[in-house]
Amino acid sequence: GENVEQHPSTLSVQEGDSAVIKCTYSDSASNYFPWYKQELGKGPQLIIDIRSNVGEKKDQRIAVTLNKTAKHFSLHITETQPEDSAVYFCAATRGSSNTGKLIFGQGTTLQVKP
Amino acid sequence: DVKVTQSSRYLVKRTGEKVFLECVQDMDHENMFWYRQDPGLGLRLIYFSYDVKMKEKGDIPEGYGVSREKKERFSLILESASTNQTSMYLCATRPGQPGNTIYFGEGSWLTVV
Repeated sequence: GENVEQHPSTLSVQEGDSAVIKCTYSDSASNYFPWYKQELGKGPQLIIDIRSNVGEKKDQRIAVTLNKTAKHFSLHITETQPEDSAVYFCAATRGSSNTGKLIFGQGTTLQVKP
Repeated sequence: DVKVTQSSRYLVKRTGEKVFLECVQDMDHENMFWYRQDPGLGLRLIYFSYDVKMKEKGDIPEGYGVSREKKERFSLILESASTNQTSMYLCATRPGQPGNTIYFGEGSWLTVV
């Protein structure tokens, strides 16, 4: 069935370094790829998203790249700060459905050491 | 700002009890979802509702039911709670118009003993 694989499951970086989280998806019809950040004790919050007609999107220190041919997309965080420490989830739409049903990756716990 | 409110943040229930998890949104969104979050498994869709009184099974509906009598409220029902339903439950909403952003509530931690 459709699935999204996310790696790594944990990532530890020094403050100021970059962090990269990668996801692969199986459904070639997926057309929307959001990234969520979940802080301890809170629900996931959207931090950036990308649609299938775009290869890259950037928002300040965060960027997402999409390779439709290889069916993978990545989150890049530059100049990491301790407040970036959280669990990050990637997701992909189930097909091109407009119902918004998403398939989530397993999550990556990012730790940024001061 | 979109507000998705899960009134019960932490619950402890006994095996066999009936459990209601309530979710209310204030943005008039058509679509509402219930996800379950477990370590190493990410978020898995339990049920989805695209309109009042309409529902659709997600990936793991077994042991769960839902109710959507009003547009703003979507309830998750565990008819007879079991220990393997101990988890974090997340409610989410999404507008029906094009644009796929999903907004999550803060989550409900359920422990079944």
